[in-house]
Amino acid sequence: DGGITQSPKYLFRKEGQNVTLSCEQNLNHDAMYWYRQDPGQGLRLIYYSQIVNDFQKGDIAEGYSVSREKKESFPLTVTSAQKNPTAFYLCASSIDSGAPTAGYTFGSGTRLTVV
Amino acid sequence: RKEVEQDPGPFNVPEGATVAFNCTYSNSASQSFFWYRQDCRKEPKLLMSVYSSGNEDGRFTAQLNRASQYISLLIRDSKLSDSATYLCVVFGGYQKVTFGIGTKLQVIP
Repeated sequence: DGGITQSPKYLFRKEGQNVTLSCEQNLNHDAMYWYRQDPGQGLRLIYYSQIVNDFQKGDIAEGYSVSREKKESFPLTVTSAQKNPTAFYLCASSIDSGAPTAGYTFGSGTRLTVV
Repeated sequence: RKEVEQDPGPFNVPEGATVAFNCTYSNSASQSFFWYRQDCRKEPKLLMSVYSSGNEDGRFTAQLNRASQYISLLIRDSKLSDSATYLCVVFGGYQKVTFGIGTKLQVIP
């Protein structure tokens, strides 16, 4: 079955450490997204990519970096510059970029905790 | 005014009840609207799209009111399994998508 796979499911980060969250999709979708979800807040966009080797900052990109070397993969690195990284991270994809008419498909998420 | 507003709830309803949620949006140029369901500590899953003509899927009915700038979700004959948080999602244009904070529904036996 087609879908989006995020790993790991749970991740613990020490202070000053960079960590990378994996996101792989086999839906042949062009656009991919990273969102962060905090309690009591709507999902907030970190980065998005409409095509291989191109990506754009979202609303809260500071302290994060991404790459899009393959259509299927869109990893997110949470750097030590992100001061409050504890959150639920969701990767999503859509068949069309811009104004997706079919909505998003989400991965199962990675729960990141700073220890 | 927030771009997308939802009552966070919780809405506590007995099994079999009918419950409705609204979601208001501020951008009159918004193009696409969706309801997602999110279970506790899980990812959001698309429940249904929302069209001006309204759409129905079993016990669920979604409607869009462009004049008043809100969308609604009606759940009839509530089941225990309907307990979840329901997210309103508004696509306002090129790469402009806004998620509501969600409305929590708890169906009680």
